[in-house]
Order: sequence, then C-alpha cells, then structure tokens
Amino acid sequence: SYEVTQPPSVSVSPGQTARITCSGDALPKKYPFWYQQKSGQAPVLVIYEDSKRPSGIPERFSASSAGTMATLIISGAQVEDEADYYCYSTDSSGNHRVFGGGTKLTVL
Amino acid sequence: QVQLVESGGGVVQPGRSLRLSCAASGFIFRSYGMHWVRQAPGKGLEWVAVIWYDGSKTLHADSVKGRFTISRDNSKSTLYLQLNSLRAEDTAVYFCARENWDYGRYAIDIWGQGTTVTVSS
Repeated sequence: SYEVTQPPSVSVSPGQTARITCSGDALPKKYPFWYQQKSGQAPVLVIYEDSKRPSGIPERFSASSAGTMATLIISGAQVEDEADYYCYSTDSSGNHRVFGGGTKLTVL
Repeated sequence: QVQLVESGGGVVQPGRSLRLSCAASGFIFRSYGMHWVRQAPGKGLEWVAVIWYDGSKTLHADSVKGRFTISRDNSKSTLYLQLNSLRAEDTAVYFCARENWDYGRYAIDIWGQGTTVTVSS
C-alpha cells in the first residue's frame, strides 16, 4: 500500500519559519494537501494545489515541492499555529488515498 | 452554512456491527464525493473510504476492505458507513468529509466533528 512520510515533530520559536516535510513516491505527480488539526477539533484545509490557501488561511502558510518531497512552510510562526499538521495525497492511480502520520508543531 | 453531522457511534463488542450516518446540509449533497476518515485515540488521521458523488464507485482502505462499506442516499443527503466484524483496533473517532474539486482533484475541504466508536468487550 502507498505511504507518505512526515517527521513526528517540529519545534520553532515564535517568529521563526517552520518547515514540515512530506515524502512519497507519487508526489511529483500528485500534489499533497495540507491540514491543520488543533486539539479536539476537526482538521482544517490550509494548503491545496501545491501552494494555494483557502479563504481565511493566513498568508504565512505556503508550500513548496521538489521531486518526491513536499514542504509546508509557516513563515513567522505564531503560538496559535501550534497544532498537528497532516499531508494527504494519493498514489499514481488515484485509488489509494493516504494521510501522512502527522507532525506536531510546537511554537515556544 | 455547510454542515456535516455524524451519528451512530457507541460502544460495541468485538465481532459486532455498527452503522454510522452523516447528515449533510448547506450544499448540494448529490454533487460531491464523500469520505470517511478515522482517528484512533492519540493517533493520526487514517483515510477509510470514499464514494463518488452518484454512488457509482467506492474505494476502501486495505485495513477495512471486506469489513466496512461506504454508501449514500442522495435523496436524504446522508452518507453511511457500515462497520462489520469490528476489532479493537477499529476504536476511533470517525469523521465524514466532503471532497471538493474546486480545491483540486481529491481535495477534502469540509469535515464533520466526528462520532466515536469504541470496540471493547
């Protein structure tokens, strides 16, 4: 079965840039989506189509990709950005949807 | 406003069955594919299943294939997940979610608040 891999945790100080990676063989052709999940809440879409933001998502959220790795970038991370972040994608056939294991972002 | 409300969770013994429902409102349900995603206690998100907007095609994760079945009733704007042969490892919060290609193919944009399934003897 297809998998995408994320680091378990990332830690930054307020105002620093946080980078969360997601790696998978199909990522060059299947842009991942990025979700933010705060404790006890449902996930929220923060990045789609490689680096676009839904309405209401702050400009400090962006993304990049190179080969089999995609990166969520939070420029000038804020304390309120502390959350779990998940990438979501599919294999090349589109028949196996998958979430990464999640990355816990700590901002302190 | 767009809303997804799950129901049907509870405590069930191993080997038994349960049916989850997800009532949709605020959008044209029959125009969107729908998903179930689960989250075990303290763990990450796990994609479970998707159903096409018209019910013509379904996909299930390998971990639930043959035991769980996703379905929908567009006349009732309701999504279902039939859970059979439940195991302890199926214990999780189950979210229903909308697929919206306005955000790209396969994009999930709206989530419900989830319903909790606990499998325990």
